[in-house]
Amino acid sequence: NAGVTQTPKFRVLKTGQSMTLLCAQDMNHEYMYWYRQDPGMGLRLIHYSVGEGTTAKGEVPDGYNVSRLKKQNFLLGLESAAPSQTSVYFCASSYSLRDRAYEQYFGPGTRLTVT
Amino acid sequence: DAKTTQPPSMDCAEGRAANLPCNHSTISGNEYVYWYRQIHSQGPQYIIHGLKNNETNEMASLIITEDRKSSTLILPHATLRDTAVYYCIVRAPRSNDYKLSFGAGTTVTVRA
Repeated sequence: NAGVTQTPKFRVLKTGQSMTLLCAQDMNHEYMYWYRQDPGMGLRLIHYSVGEGTTAKGEVPDGYNVSRLKKQNFLLGLESAAPSQTSVYFCASSYSLRDRAYEQYFGPGTRLTVT
Repeated sequence: DAKTTQPPSMDCAEGRAANLPCNHSTISGNEYVYWYRQIHSQGPQYIIHGLKNNETNEMASLIITEDRKSSTLILPHATLRDTAVYYCIVRAPRSNDYKLSFGAGTTVTVRA
């Protein structure tokens, strides 16, 4: 099993450009998540999905959009990148059972720099 | 969610057991204890979780005191690859609230 994979691993964008980060999981998990991690800020939840075709906002959703067209994939889009979106982005997935929703499996991260 | 307190750092000798404490004195009855770690420049990694019984998996053991006010994560035979920041988190299952919040954690350095 590959677990959770993320594409790309690194990216540099100019302000105003757009991009899509792809997350894929092969564990048949119902729930998927996008977090960002900034130095000194810890993990912050951007958006999450509790099933195919559903998405919900997390703590810091502004400037991002997501889609979950297939159970195994969760896409994070930046429509108009800003320097404040420079961060490391982690995707995670989990089962839907009560306590196991916090047993989250993370991908290796995408390091995004916006200049 | 209950607040957790962990020592900021600890050293461990390679091959020895590493015992990582976590205090959660205000834990309530429906809150679980979760442990994660993050190796430098990698994504967080789930280790183990439990409610009140001791738990063991291929990575570690979790010992929760009878009053549930504290717990210990045990890495039975630490290796250099176990050097990481370890996070103890207390969460109660709640709908529409799935975020994980890591505190400062314990920086564990395994030395040869």
